[in-house]
Amino acid sequence: DTGVSQNPRHKITKRGQNVTFRCDPISEHNRLYWYRQTLGQGPEFLTYFQNEAQLEKSRLLSDRFSAERPKGSFSTLEIQRTEQGDSAMYLCALSNQAAANEKLFFGSGTQLSVL
Amino acid sequence: AQKVTQAQTEISVVEKEDVTLDCVYETRDTTYYLFWYKQPPSGELVFLIRRNSFDEQNEISGRYSWNFQKSTSSFNFTITASQVVDSAVYFCALSEATGGGNKLTFGTGTQLKVEL
Repeated sequence: DTGVSQNPRHKITKRGQNVTFRCDPISEHNRLYWYRQTLGQGPEFLTYFQNEAQLEKSRLLSDRFSAERPKGSFSTLEIQRTEQGDSAMYLCALSNQAAANEKLFFGSGTQLSVL
Repeated sequence: AQKVTQAQTEISVVEKEDVTLDCVYETRDTTYYLFWYKQPPSGELVFLIRRNSFDEQNEISGRYSWNFQKSTSSFNFTITASQVVDSAVYFCALSEATGGGNKLTFGTGTQLKVEL
């Protein structure tokens, strides 16, 4: 048990539709990260939160993407007007500390398929 | 910018063989951290080890060992007496101290298949 629950596990949508993913930490963690992983690649950093504050967003995160962590616990990642290139596994990760050497606890991810 | 290269896309071994997964990294920072994560078929990445740039001491944990060499910018991972349960994708990753937070730069991963 990694302490991270992600829903849904799989999402199939048509191009142009909006989708929302949710990440629920099972225990309290200060930092929450979103990563994206495409087939055959390693995860790529998208954004992270310190409690409810979104501290950084990657250049990969276009303006069609928005993430929130309203109460500093669960987080949502929304993609508007999905494109086929958005098809990927979206991973949520947690850490207890802000240090760069802190290990991350990953969820099992949400696999998005855009048709 | 930082970069992590895992040149081995896929490795197949027979159970009980030893196997080494290679990792080469690039960074301009003098303080950085290296990690290995395992991704089994279920999908979640599992933390295996971290090293900081000032600690080149090799580490052994059970059947796992890690060889960190700053001179060659490598952080290789060896599994001794491999088992079928070791089958997974293994990722090497880098985090820079100046980057803020723990934003990992991952390699493309090595798919390890251990067969009976």
